[in-house]
Amino acid sequence: AQRVTQPEKLLSVFKGAPVELKCNYSYSGSPELFWYVQYSRQRLQLLLRHISRESIKGFTADLNKGETSFHLKKPFAQEEDSAMYYCALGGETSGSRLTFGEGTQLTVNP
Amino acid sequence: NAGVMQNPRHLVRRRGQEARLRCSPMKGHSHVYWYRQLPEEGLKFMVYLQKENIIDESGMPKERFSAEFPKEGPSILRIQQVVRGDSAAYFCASSYYGQEAFFGQGTRLTVV
Repeated sequence: AQRVTQPEKLLSVFKGAPVELKCNYSYSGSPELFWYVQYSRQRLQLLLRHISRESIKGFTADLNKGETSFHLKKPFAQEEDSAMYYCALGGETSGSRLTFGEGTQLTVNP
Repeated sequence: NAGVMQNPRHLVRRRGQEARLRCSPMKGHSHVYWYRQLPEEGLKFMVYLQKENIIDESGMPKERFSAEFPKEGPSILRIQQVVRGDSAAYFCASSYYGQEAFFGQGTRLTVV
């Protein structure tokens, strides 16, 4: 069965500090991992996906199959990064149904 | 392209009434997904539809819930005889086959 775990519901850091949002998954096949972000009063939007290996808004995430993790990192957090972050797991075909974690509310304090 | 449009944004229903939630996918997208977010929980997959076909409804409750995506018009998520436990945010997403899914702003259903 597919499962995504985000152990921290709330995470608070100061501006300029490094931030890491944890995500662990369980999946028997070849996983597709995503991070979605939801800013206040806005819709959920894709932040990044592991296959693209991009850095978006300074965020990166590396898929570690040995540890079944896909942690989201940013070396220097900004106040505008404050949002709800969801880790999501898809099947072999991207764009197919997603299994979401319960989300981490990130607050970046000035 | 206005993005994925969901309406209404807020819906209040009394127990026992029917709720109809609409989702218009992005132009050119033929795949629609519905998710439910209960209070204090993450998004849970409900159903995946293509035009006139239900592809995966493994997340749908067995009773009272149904979904359709007709050849013309929006996708509809229908909840019959609503109960308080149906109160949640319902999100729709659409994609072109195999590509990124884009989300609507959700419909917040409150059952009183």
